[in-house]
Amino acid sequence: DVVLTQTPPTLSATIGQSVSISCRSSQSLLHSNGNTYLHWLLQRPGQSPQLLIYSVSRLESGVPNRFSGSGSGTDFTLKISGVEAEDLGVYYCVQGTHAPPTFGGGTKLELK
Amino acid sequence: EVQLVESGGGLVQPKGSLKLSCAASGFDFNSYGMSWVRQAPGKGLDLVADISSKSYNYATYYADSVKDRFTISRDDSQSMVYLQMDNLKTEDTALYYCTVASVYWGQGVMVTVSS
Repeated sequence: DVVLTQTPPTLSATIGQSVSISCRSSQSLLHSNGNTYLHWLLQRPGQSPQLLIYSVSRLESGVPNRFSGSGSGTDFTLKISGVEAEDLGVYYCVQGTHAPPTFGGGTKLELK
Repeated sequence: EVQLVESGGGLVQPKGSLKLSCAASGFDFNSYGMSWVRQAPGKGLDLVADISSKSYNYATYYADSVKDRFTISRDDSQSMVYLQMDNLKTEDTALYYCTVASVYWGQGVMVTVSS
């Protein structure tokens, strides 16, 4: 199975600060159809995970544009340009290129 | 709008059984693989079982920890996905989520295995 390694495991930020989370895959996530199925989820406290970004860099409808995703192959990054209080929670990367889907270990975003 | 509504959780004794159900709406159910993912208290996300669409012959996947105990199935005519859980163990205690391709998630249903 594909292993996704997220760093850092914990991130402390002040409101307005920009932060980045890394997700590295044990193998390329480029599908034979040309798409890369690497997505980012946010799980706020007490809630189920919600989709933020799909296919590396596409913003899910309703998600603020302070969130952005980038990367290719095995290295991917989620950036938050100006953290807001509602952004606190655990961020997960997930891949759907290779069966079975697998998840990163999560990055907990806390207020400093 | 994609909606996934889980049901069937609860408290069960070790070696007991439960069947989880997930009602899906708001997307072309027949075209997507469906998964059950669980989250133990304070832990991360773990794929339990996955079932592909008819196009991929309803292929299934199970985590090693649940193989031969859990069975995933789907009813495309009703847009439903199920997880039959047998011979439950205390370590199966978790919040179980139904997901579409691991990108859209239900609210989850709690399964507690305890004597």
